Amino acid sequence: ETAVFQTPNYHVTQVGNEVSFNCKQTLGHDTMYWYKQDSKKLLKIMFSYNNKQLIVNETVPRRFSPQSSDKAHLNLRIKSVEPEDSAVYLCASSSRQGNQDTQYFGPGTRLLVL
Amino acid sequence: SQWGEENLQALSIQEGEDVTMNCSYKTYTTVVHWYRQDSGRGPALIILIRSNEREKRSGRLRATLDTSSQSSSLSITAAQCEDTAVYFCATDSNTDKVVFGTGTRLQVSP
Repeated sequence: ETAVFQTPNYHVTQVGNEVSFNCKQTLGHDTMYWYKQDSKKLLKIMFSYNNKQLIVNETVPRRFSPQSSDKAHLNLRIKSVEPEDSAVYLCASSSRQGNQDTQYFGPGTRLLVL
Repeated sequence: SQWGEENLQALSIQEGEDVTMNCSYKTYTTVVHWYRQDSGRGPALIILIRSNEREKRSGRLRATLDTSSQSSSLSITAAQCEDTAVYFCATDSNTDKVVFGTGTRLQVSP
């Protein structure tokens, strides 16, 4: 049963454009995450938000920025996309920060930058 | 085994065989989660094992944890075609940062 929703499923864009991905969770969790998954399936955490506060911010390029309106939503904006941004972006949530509790993932947004 | 910047591991077996996937981690962890990811979907938890447990079973799944060698394994008994997926271990390194292993792609053929 899906409880973490992501839109769009797939997005194709040109280098230099701005894109925004949406994520919503209906689990009542306090923490949400964005991961980048490359073509080799490697998962790397990009951001996590706990109660609207950024608590983990990996060394991602500045063109990436998370945006949260409330604890159920965490969007990801990419200003001026680059070819290396092509990947699957996965949103997740958990009831406590860290790995103590299970992370629930959305289906992902696949980005292709031409 | 999966960790660090190693490439995705790949295993190919026949239906009915047993298979074991390994995971090693670099620092202390309080729990090891094992996730599976089906094609076109996000990872989903299948079993977790805490640092005070040596073994955990769930159906055909068996997870082990050896804190002295900082390693965990996931075994699937009598694999079925529907077990075909990518499997990840994840640890917390006693921090807020979740670290996923590089993953093992399991292909089960009829």
